[in-house]
Amino acid sequence: DTEVTQTPKHLVMGMTNKKSLKCEQHMGHRAMYWYKQKAKKPPELMFVYSYEKLSINESVPSRFSPECPNSSLLNLHLHALQPEDSALYLCASREGEVGGYGYTFGSGTRLTVV
Amino acid sequence: GENVEQHPSTLSVQEGDSAVIKCTYSDSASNYFPWYKQELGKRPQLIIDIRSNVGEKKDQRIAVTLNKTAKHFSLHITETQPEDSAVYFCASTKPSTASKLTFGTGTRLQVTL
Repeated sequence: DTEVTQTPKHLVMGMTNKKSLKCEQHMGHRAMYWYKQKAKKPPELMFVYSYEKLSINESVPSRFSPECPNSSLLNLHLHALQPEDSALYLCASREGEVGGYGYTFGSGTRLTVV
Repeated sequence: GENVEQHPSTLSVQEGDSAVIKCTYSDSASNYFPWYKQELGKRPQLIIDIRSNVGEKKDQRIAVTLNKTAKHFSLHITETQPEDSAVYFCASTKPSTASKLTFGTGTRLQVTL
């Protein structure tokens, strides 16, 4: 399995809802990432997990809460989002420098906050 | 932190012509430079990458060159086809398992018939 799988593909949520995005990879990659991408912009890094520990938080608002339950799974918990949080949320994983340099992206979750 | 500049922001070429997109990076410790193609509504797809110990890499119609001294790298697409139309992002990262991938601002390539 050489893919990063993200669910759901589409999500519409109200500003008072709580929802979660899920990302899964079975390539043995030890670093996993959440990126946010707005239309016509490059992906922006939100969080990095390395060996299941949070290593980078790019000053993301607390209404976004990441979780890495195990080395294959990464979640992003959403609560009290704003309409401006509507975007494509991309998960990625990386094998690491020893094994390779490449990042593998999931197909993303398109989030709409109403 | 790392800063990646990308030019041009839009590029229109006729089918069969070549296209060149240029990027510069700021952190001399960066050692891996991928290029991504992103079609509307889809994920970024890796099309080619280069490591800092190599000056040039080619894969069929696509090539990437790297000048470490000047801290810039370029994507070259020859014999462009309509299906090459997309947004292209350059990126850079440093040697660490959890290093962030820093993207350029993107180039919208339009290949016209």
